[in-house]
Amino acid sequence: GAGVSQSPSNKVTEKGKDVELRCDPISGHTALYWYRQRLGQGLEFLIYFQGNSAPDKSGLPSDRFSAERTGESVSTLTIQRTQQEDSAVYLCASSFPSGSGQGGGYTFGSGTRLTVV
Amino acid sequence: GQQLNQSPQSMFIQEGEDVSMNCTSSSIFNTWLWYKQDPGEGPVLLIALYKAGELTSNGRLTAQFGITRKDSFLNISASIPSDVGIYFCASSGSARQLTFGSGTQLTVLP
Repeated sequence: GAGVSQSPSNKVTEKGKDVELRCDPISGHTALYWYRQRLGQGLEFLIYFQGNSAPDKSGLPSDRFSAERTGESVSTLTIQRTQQEDSAVYLCASSFPSGSGQGGGYTFGSGTRLTVV
Repeated sequence: GQQLNQSPQSMFIQEGEDVSMNCTSSSIFNTWLWYKQDPGEGPVLLIALYKAGELTSNGRLTAQFGITRKDSFLNISASIPSDVGIYFCASSGSARQLTFGSGTQLTVLP
């Protein structure tokens, strides 16, 4: 597609339930990133995928968070046993490889607003 | 980890005024980027800077990559209502992913 697509756009879930968030990157963008944005705050890095390399998971806040990506396509971010502090907007972005000279700028999706009640 | 200090946190300006915001860090960065985020949307890239001292314009926007590689500013001239939003600086150094500032919420008053 023309842009980064995320689904669902909104998700309300009960505390303790698992949720899956999906991201479709721009075709040709081999790098994919997940960020979390709490209300009124900046973007907090979660995880980074680059091609078939091992992902950089250094930003995941706990072992309840995990993400997968098959090749250079769709990624899913899974949050298990959700807690109220997980409520935030989860943003996905894709780009050409870091250091490729293609600009370094990301294209973001519109995000998934997760509310844990 | 690497942190960016962005200021001011929020600004209220009159339409037509110029505005300036900046980011600083104790670390040296290789790239400085400025993004704008509208409500309910993801951030959109405004300007990208790749060399120390570089000054780049995009319409009414001007940004500079500080000579020390530890800071950057963004200026908006002759503000208009659609400039309202949250502006983020972002940068990358040794890490492959971007680090973002905490944002500047801009409100333009008619």
